[in-house]
Amino acid sequence: GQNIDQPTEMTATEGAIVQINCTYQTSGFNGLFWYQQHAGEAPTFLSYNVLDGLEEKGRFSSFLSRSKGYSYLLLKELQMKDSASYLCAVLDSNYQLIWGAGTKLIIKP
Amino acid sequence: ETGVTQTPRHLVMGMTNKKSLKCEQHLGHNAMYWYKQSAKKPLELMFVYNFKEQTENNSVPSRFSPECPNSSHLFLHLHTLQPEDSALYLCASSQTHPGTSGWSEQFFGPGTRLTVL
Repeated sequence: GQNIDQPTEMTATEGAIVQINCTYQTSGFNGLFWYQQHAGEAPTFLSYNVLDGLEEKGRFSSFLSRSKGYSYLLLKELQMKDSASYLCAVLDSNYQLIWGAGTKLIIKP
Repeated sequence: ETGVTQTPRHLVMGMTNKKSLKCEQHLGHNAMYWYKQSAKKPLELMFVYNFKEQTENNSVPSRFSPECPNSSHLFLHLHTLQPEDSALYLCASSQTHPGTSGWSEQFFGPGTRLTVL
């Protein structure tokens, strides 16, 4: 079966750095997405990785290793507004998105 | 209106009621999706419409009935639901490319919080 694993919840301090990991086993791979979802709101697109390596976008970076079935989302200089759930999703060989359950990130002052 | 809108935002219904959820996208996309989001579970894809034609139906019970009258509007008709159907129902849209395996990011609406009593 297809599976996406990410931690259920993480806590970090304002101003610090946090890394949210995602591992996947899917039938084929056509890219990996990270979305952010604030409580009661719609998920919003953060990043897309299809090649190995690090993609940097401001305070957020996303890394992919296809051989390890592994990705992480790195958030730097954490702000209180970064408190949200972060969803990892993989586009499989049928171009269908397989979603993880999300990681709830709690930022403390 | 911009982006993807959904109405109503909250809905409480009994198991014998019939109701409909509405989604509208203002992005000019050609694909629309219905997802179910339950607490601490992955997003579950329910239905996909490409160019107004249903291309995915992931073993969804017949008490959920989608309708896509045009590429901007998507409905989810609900009848004789069960309490376990209580969840957040999200609509999304994207631009797909006919004849290729192209993709684009999905844009989500704010969702309808459904409670079935």
